[in-house]
Amino acid sequence: EAGVAQSPRYKIIEKRQSVAFWCNPISGHATLYWYQQILGQGPKLLIQFQNNGVVDDSQLPKDRFSAERLKGVDSTLKIQPAKLEDSAVYLCASSFAGIDTQYFGPGTRLTVL
Amino acid sequence: GENVEQHPSTLSVQEGDSAVIKCTYSDSASNYFPWYKQELGKGPQLIIDIRSNVGEKKDQRIAVTLNKTAKHFSLHITETQPEDSAVYFCAASPGNTGFQKLVFGTGTRLLVSP
Repeated sequence: EAGVAQSPRYKIIEKRQSVAFWCNPISGHATLYWYQQILGQGPKLLIQFQNNGVVDDSQLPKDRFSAERLKGVDSTLKIQPAKLEDSAVYLCASSFAGIDTQYFGPGTRLTVL
Repeated sequence: GENVEQHPSTLSVQEGDSAVIKCTYSDSASNYFPWYKQELGKGPQLIIDIRSNVGEKKDQRIAVTLNKTAKHFSLHITETQPEDSAVYFCAASPGNTGFQKLVFGTGTRLLVSP
């Protein structure tokens, strides 16, 4: 069974630029999560989708971050404009249903200069 | 909201020794407690989890214990091996929403020396 796929694996941008990350969950998984992991910290949930609907985006900085999962499968997370403090690893996870085990992808390491 | 504290931040042991990592949580409604292992350059991988109706769970060399009264849970690794070296995260999730909302600890870097 293929795992959660993410791309790109690494991205370097200058502050005020925009960036987008892509995630393809495990086939059949209805729930998709985006996390931000700052160096030396645990992952922090940004947004959670159930199929193509948002379940929880209470910790998403909506003035600069947006995410979508239009067809209920893959998802994109966008930052516009990026700030220095957005430097982190962005992790995508998926689960079969909302209460099931979350499986994580390898993450995208973002560096904002 | 939920707050999870994890100790120690780093742990060094000799191969074959046991390792214990402890976490406390604040929200009494939390009822799901997974442990994840994260190797360098990889995403977290679930190694064991426990739900609030169980006090202890074992899987070969790893075990987790839960004390709901004290709001703490621990990961125990016996007969450690060099490949156990990684960062370990505990997490807690309130189960009353129908969805997992994992709140992670700050991680423990485990180093197992041969």
